[in-house]
Amino acid sequence: DAKTTQPNSMESNEEEPVHLPCNHSTISGTDYIHWYRQLPSQGPEYVIHGLTSNVNNRMASLAIAEDRKSSTLILHRATLRDAAVYYCILRDGGRTGGSYIPTFGRGTSLIVHP
Amino acid sequence: NAGVTQTPKFQVLKTGQSMTLQCAQDMNHNSMYWYRQDPGMGLRLIYYSASEGTTDKGEVPNGYNVSRLNKREFSLRLESAAPSQTSVYFCASGRLFQRGANSNQPQHFGDGTRLSIL
Repeated sequence: DAKTTQPNSMESNEEEPVHLPCNHSTISGTDYIHWYRQLPSQGPEYVIHGLTSNVNNRMASLAIAEDRKSSTLILHRATLRDAAVYYCILRDGGRTGGSYIPTFGRGTSLIVHP
Repeated sequence: NAGVTQTPKFQVLKTGQSMTLQCAQDMNHNSMYWYRQDPGMGLRLIYYSASEGTTDKGEVPNGYNVSRLNKREFSLRLESAAPSQTSVYFCASGRLFQRGANSNQPQHFGDGTRLSIL
């Protein structure tokens, strides 16, 4: 299975943009890139996912490198509520049947300063 | 919007006691999962159920059993609790992956059960 590498922690000021990197140099052509986040004392929640193109939703943007070996989750204006652990996860999109089993590493702990 | 509901939220057990953690989802998902999360660590998969009537081991299944009671419910049982099983347990649900379908549906997680074993 392809692995991901994320920094242990990052800091940001409130209302500034945040760029959270993820390296996945062994990604396969069928791996989708998913991001989840975990707020304190809660279960993880889905943020965004993509395959090759940059993606936007109401929570964040996902920028995927042309060679797909890295990606960046972009929070356009960080708020105190965005302080969480962010997980970058690869999901195999090429299986026939079978269940998706994501692997959560330690993620990046985002600290947001007022 | 219940989503995934876990009970209980907190539990303290003595070594050797047994208990069952309950999980229910109302999103008509085929797949359900049990994870544990130890302090400062990511989530590790204990067991999963790809569909009603099937269960499979994950990364750390030892000391646990599961039951997929029906499509909605997936329980996790500790037969003889040990201090090493002190952790936060998360249940999740998601759609069964199918080639060609819009298969990248996210997983939905419960708020966790905080279990301490003395």
